[in-house]
Parts: sequence; C-alpha cells; structure tokens
Amino acid sequence: GDSVTQMEGPVTLSEEAFLTINCTYTATGYPSLFWYVQYPGEGLQLLLKATKADDKGSNKGFEATYRKETTSFHLEKGSVQVSDSAVYFCALNQINYGGSQGNLIFGKGTKLSVKP
Amino acid sequence: SQTIHQWPATLVQPVGSPLSLECTVEGTSNPNLYWYRQAAGRGLQLLFYSVGIGQISSEVPQNLSASRPQDRQFILSSKKLLLSDSGFYLCAWQRDRGNYGYTFGSGTRLTVV
Repeated sequence: GDSVTQMEGPVTLSEEAFLTINCTYTATGYPSLFWYVQYPGEGLQLLLKATKADDKGSNKGFEATYRKETTSFHLEKGSVQVSDSAVYFCALNQINYGGSQGNLIFGKGTKLSVKP
Repeated sequence: SQTIHQWPATLVQPVGSPLSLECTVEGTSNPNLYWYRQAAGRGLQLLFYSVGIGQISSEVPQNLSASRPQDRQFILSSKKLLLSDSGFYLCAWQRDRGNYGYTFGSGTRLTVV
C-alpha cells in the first residue's frame, strides 16, 4: 500500500542554518503531497502542498518540490529561526475512483529544534 | 470560511471513567471527519473516520468508539478509560472532493490518572 517515510529526528540546528527534512513516498498513481507543521501543544497546520510532478509548494520561506522520478518531497528552508521549532509531518493522499479524496497517509514526523 | 472546533482543550480523568470529546465543523457540508491520537513524542495514529452521518470506520480496535450524529459533528467516546488512552487527540476534516488535505482542530490533551 501507499506509504510515507521521513528522516528520523530530532534535528537540531543553529539559527540561520539551512534545513532539509527528507521525505520519500511509495504510491500507485499520482498522489498529492503535503507538509504539515505542529507547534508545541497545538494541532497540525498545513504548511505547503504540491498536487503534481515538478510542482513546488512554498510558504513562510519553506519549499518542497514534487519529484516523481525520485518519489521525494523534501522540505527545505534557507535560514531557520527559533520560531520554526516544531514537528514536521510529510503526507500524501490519492483521489479515489469517482473523484473523492482518500485518507491522508502521514509520515512519523520529524522534530526540529532551532537554537539561538 | 470553514472552521473546526474541538473541546475541551485539556482533560484529566480517572481510570474507568467515561469519555466524550466533541468536534464540530462550520462553513462546509458533507465533510470527511477524522479522529487521530498522538502519544507523547510519537506520530499520528488514525482512530476513526467518517464519510457521512452514521458512517464510522474504525482503524484500530480498542475501547474507544466514535459517532457522527449530525453532518458536521463527530464525537469520540469511551465507557471506561484506560491509562493507555492518555494522549493528544486531534480531530480533522477534509472536503469530500478536491485536493485540499486536512484541516485540524487544536487538539485535546487527555491525561488518564
């Protein structure tokens, strides 16, 4: 079945460092890909998404490109801030036959800590 | 615009007591609804989902149950809580069509003592 694999955390960086969180997926068809962020004590928020190959999602300085050839959707940010400390989840979903959305499949999450 | 409400925000309950967590969605109709649990330091575990009133799918057998008495209301219940039920419970909704992903509620921190 479909699955998402994220790099294991925690990831600890200094402020202004470059961030990469790897995400690869296994899926039939052409899934949509998402990154969610969860700040301490809060629910998940959609950070960015891409719905087809070569699409680049971007938001708040974060970017991820949908790479079908490598089945990847790595999250990047050029200069992280302390306020970016959170857990990041990669996810995919498929459109079912008939056009309805399938359930999201989440990775296990990667905790990012940014030190001043 | 669409909003999702989840309550209570925190809850401390003794072992063996009942549980009822409520989630409501505004500004949309016929959403797909989800209950997730997140244990401390761990990923998301899908507990239940619903594609319509009275339609509940269970992903994990346990002492929890879910109900959808109205189109935009999703309730998570237990008759007798266990210590292992402690965790962070998240409700989410999704449009039944399109490519929008989920919108999550703010979560309920449940501690069973």
